[in-house]
Amino acid sequence: GAVVSQHPSRVICKSGTSVKIECRSLDFQATTMFWYRQFPKKSLMLMATSNEGSKATYEQGVEKDKFLINHASLTLSTLTVTSAHPEDSSFYICSAGPGSGSADTQYFGPGTRLTVL
Amino acid sequence: GENVEQHPSTLSVQEGDSAVIKCTYSDSASNYFPWYKQELGKGPQLIIDIRSNVGEKKDQRIAVTLNKTAKHFSLHITETQPEDSAVYFCAASIGTGTASKLTFGTGTRLQVTL
Repeated sequence: GAVVSQHPSRVICKSGTSVKIECRSLDFQATTMFWYRQFPKKSLMLMATSNEGSKATYEQGVEKDKFLINHASLTLSTLTVTSAHPEDSSFYICSAGPGSGSADTQYFGPGTRLTVL
Repeated sequence: GENVEQHPSTLSVQEGDSAVIKCTYSDSASNYFPWYKQELGKGPQLIIDIRSNVGEKKDQRIAVTLNKTAKHFSLHITETQPEDSAVYFCAASIGTGTASKLTFGTGTRLQVTL
């Protein structure tokens, strides 16, 4: 299947700092990428849909000023957690799909574990 | 919006036995149903998917069945092995020809014992 990477895989930061997470599609172009958040032993919660060249679409209850998304190219989307607090500690995962052939198929990145002290 | 329910939440089987995980969805417009396997500390891995124009799909030891009338779909794993132990998620989406939002089930933790 297609490959999606994330960087960093793990980050620990102090409360009040901002953290940027990158999501890259390595062998295909993706006009749309998705960002999820997952708490321990829970399912994936969609945070936002990232659209190349336009503003992201956020799910209800997700603060757009808190979680900044930029999709500047067809292979890169970034999620910035601004002024992070301990309650933002979570596992963040992105997904993307080739958008052609099996258009609905999505592949997930390996995830980024954020710990805010 | 779409709601996906998944059962059971935990499943323990002996190596070599079969495992079945069931999901139901609420939106009859959903037409794409993927299954993901997630190991501890990793991202979900697509293992099989099915579209609404197909009733069954098989890939080696894994099969998925879809009943559009009843709005449920199931994952079947035969001849289970210890490496099948993981959390499995079903999902549903209304495919539009481009990447569409997935609604996930709550997950099933499968434990394959020796």
